[in-house]
Amino acid sequence: KQEVTQIPAALSVPEGENLVLNCSFTDSAIYNLQWFRQDPGKGLTSLLLIQSSQREQTSGRLNASLDKSSGRSTLYIAASQPGDSATYLCAVRGNDYKLSFGAGTTVTVRA
Amino acid sequence: GAGVSQSPRYKVAKRGQDVALRCDPISGHVSLFWYQQALGQGPEFLTYFQNEAQLDKSGLPSDRFFAERPEGSVSTLKIQRTQQEDSAVYLCASSLTQGAAEQYFGPGTRLTVT
Repeated sequence: KQEVTQIPAALSVPEGENLVLNCSFTDSAIYNLQWFRQDPGKGLTSLLLIQSSQREQTSGRLNASLDKSSGRSTLYIAASQPGDSATYLCAVRGNDYKLSFGAGTTVTVRA
Repeated sequence: GAGVSQSPRYKVAKRGQDVALRCDPISGHVSLFWYQQALGQGPEFLTYFQNEAQLDKSGLPSDRFFAERPEGSVSTLKIQRTQQEDSAVYLCASSLTQGAAEQYFGPGTRLTVT
């Protein structure tokens, strides 16, 4: 069974600092990896999706890397803003259709 | 266009009651998924439909949980004789095809069993 771990569980930074969120997974036979954002009481918003053949994806201030062989992904958020405060979830899709999620990293950006 | 919608957004049930949670996927999406998210945890897979066929129900916690999608569009997750451990957020997601890379999530239904 795929196990997904996210470290740290929580992170608090001052505005303007760069954020580094880590995700590790146990089975490297993945189809893709996706980073989501979840605001309190809300559903999941997809941020970035990296196919298994890709090494990274970028969108604006967000950059996600994927090292499939070592079972790791990192989400970088540059120049953090208070509006970036949320829980960030990493999800891995295997060769079927199921997503396996980590428990998330809760980020607080202090103004 | 419209995203995935779920109703009700919040449900409080007394232990032992039956509940029904509804999911309206994005129009034309073939695949539909249900996930359960306990407090402080990531979502866990419950079940998967391709059109009206339930192809995988391996994540359903017990036989009190039942899901259906009779016309290949709207889906209902039913929980019979609710227990306190059923308290969670129930998320629905849809994707265009089984092979499609991205699943689109609804806002979830928060179920509280008292």
